[in-house]
Amino acid sequence: DTEVTQTPKHLVMGMTNKKSLKCEQHMGHRAMYWYKQKAKKPPELMFVYSYEKLSINESVPSRFSPECPNSSLLNLHLHALQPEDSALYLCASSQYYPLYNEQFFGPGTRLTVL
Amino acid sequence: SQELEQSPQSLIVQEGKNLTINCTSSKTLYGLYWYKQKYGEGLIFLMMLQKGGEEKSHEKITAKLDEKKQQSSLHITASQPSHAGIYLCGADIQEGGSEKLVFGKGMKLTVNP
Repeated sequence: DTEVTQTPKHLVMGMTNKKSLKCEQHMGHRAMYWYKQKAKKPPELMFVYSYEKLSINESVPSRFSPECPNSSLLNLHLHALQPEDSALYLCASSQYYPLYNEQFFGPGTRLTVL
Repeated sequence: SQELEQSPQSLIVQEGKNLTINCTSSKTLYGLYWYKQKYGEGLIFLMMLQKGGEEKSHEKITAKLDEKKQQSSLHITASQPSHAGIYLCGADIQEGGSEKLVFGKGMKLTVNP
């Protein structure tokens, strides 16, 4: 299994809603990542988890809360988002962190904040 | 900070034509990745290059990293409509005491049948 899965594929939420994005991989990778991608821009790193511990937080607002319940799962909890948070959210995994090994990306969750 | 510049920004080719995409870094590259992305979808890993002068091929796609490790090229031979998409180069960088993968702005490829 060389796949990273993400659910849901699409999500529309109001600014007062609480929702979660989910990511799963079964490749035995010990590093997992969240990226945000705005239209016509490259992905930008948000968070890195290594061995289920948060290694990097790229100064992401607290309305985004990551969670890594186990080595296969990565969640991103969303609360009180702003319309400018609308974007494609990509999850990725790699064998280990730090880097110098390829990251495998999921299909993404298209988030729209009304 | 390290920046990756991709050229051209976009390209329209006729099916069957060869093409080359370039990725230039302001600093030495220690890990260079090529990804392909269809609009609104995830990134598909193509190749990783680490050593100066390294060259890798997969099917009709060849990627090279120059000896100075500051420039990489991606060459597609006999392009097909299935090659259409956005090609992103990425590099491992160290910034603020941590390491992360940063991307160039991407190159949009259109292949006309």
